[in-house]
This record gives sequence, C-alpha cells and structure tokens, in this order.
Amino acid sequence: QITLKESGPTLVKPTQTLTLTCTFSGFSLTGGGQGVAWIRQPPGEALEWLALIYWNDDKRYSPSLNSRLTITKDTSKNQVVLTMTNMDPVDTATYYCAHRLGSASYFDYWGQGTLVTVSS
Amino acid sequence: EIVLTQSPATLSLSPGESATLSCRASQSVGPSLAWYQQKPGQAPRLLIYDASNRAPGIPARFSVSGSGTDFTLTISSLEPEDFAIYYCQQRSHWLTFGGGTRVEIK
Repeated sequence: QITLKESGPTLVKPTQTLTLTCTFSGFSLTGGGQGVAWIRQPPGEALEWLALIYWNDDKRYSPSLNSRLTITKDTSKNQVVLTMTNMDPVDTATYYCAHRLGSASYFDYWGQGTLVTVSS
Repeated sequence: EIVLTQSPATLSLSPGESATLSCRASQSVGPSLAWYQQKPGQAPRLLIYDASNRAPGIPARFSVSGSGTDFTLTISSLEPEDFAIYYCQQRSHWLTFGGGTRVEIK
C-alpha cells in the first residue's frame, strides 16, 4: 500500500525559505517510471503543480515558480524534499506531495497535506 | 502555459440526477487529461486519466468524453458521496489544473 506524508513548518515569515519533506512507503523511487510531485492549494482555491522528481533524478518545475524551487530525493530514506525561497503571504496554502502514476504524470496517491501559513 | 477552464463553477443538482462538467484547454492536449474529485478537508482523488481510463475503484457512473481542447466529465446518477469539487489536469505541456467545478446538493 502506497502512503505519503508531508512534514515541515506550519508558519514561516516573509522572505524565509520553506523546506518540506515528503516521507513515503509502498514504492521505491529507484525505477519503473516512479515519481513524486509537490502540489499546493491556497485556502478555497484551486490546485497548483509545483515540482516533480523522477526515479532517474530528472526534475521538472512550474515555469512560474522555477527560480524559487528545488526538489531533491533521498532514496535511502524514502523521502522527497521541496525547498521554496523568498516566501510571501500569497504562498499560504496546503502543500501536498503525490505519487506519480507509473505510466504518466497524473497522481494516484496523495499525502494528507500540510498547511503552511506565511505571516510575520 | 496551457490554461484549463472549467465550467460551470457550481452545479446544483439532486441525488439521482446526471451531472455534466466541462473542461476546456487553451490549446490541444490530445487525450492527456485527468479528472480528480476533492471533498472538504481531503486530498484530491484520481478518477479518470488519459481521457477514458478509470482509476482503480472508480465506479462506472463516472465517464469522460472529448479530446483535444474540449472534455466532459459525466456522472450518470449522482450518489450522495459524489457531491464534491472536481478538477481537471493536463500533462501535455507541463502540468496544469483547472479552476474546479463544485457539485452541490440542490
């Protein structure tokens, strides 16, 4: 059974860097088309894809946020880490990590999400 | 960036009625579109991907038609558990989501 769980700070100050960790089980990020993405959702708003890392360490970032994002993986720990620099109140959202369907970039398993508030 | 426009924003229906949700892409995505269901306080759930493939456990009352720029999700007979927000997502060029359609109880 595939599970994912996000962890990180619930409150960050403007201009700070956010670091979120996704710890997963039930699959290995070492092959077979596997991937993990980060997706966020501001309160009451729609979903926004942020970043995706593949089993072969290939990485993709949202063009609008590319300069602020870094995604990495630690296969020994079954973790994927997202960093987002220069946080702003508009970045307040629930941040989800999600498992990429093996054959295509859709997301069949999601974490519960973690609400990050950006405020001074 | 491919923009996905969903309509209507809100659909008010009764259980047993049929729901028709639209997702329009700003340029062709071929068949590369998925639909998700999200209930309050929960993560999204994958329903159907690459236009017509149902995810495991998704009932047959959910179906999708369309390709290119215009897609429709149909829920043939609404069950109480189907009242939720539905999002489309394309993977043809980067990844983008639509703004969502809320299906609410009339």
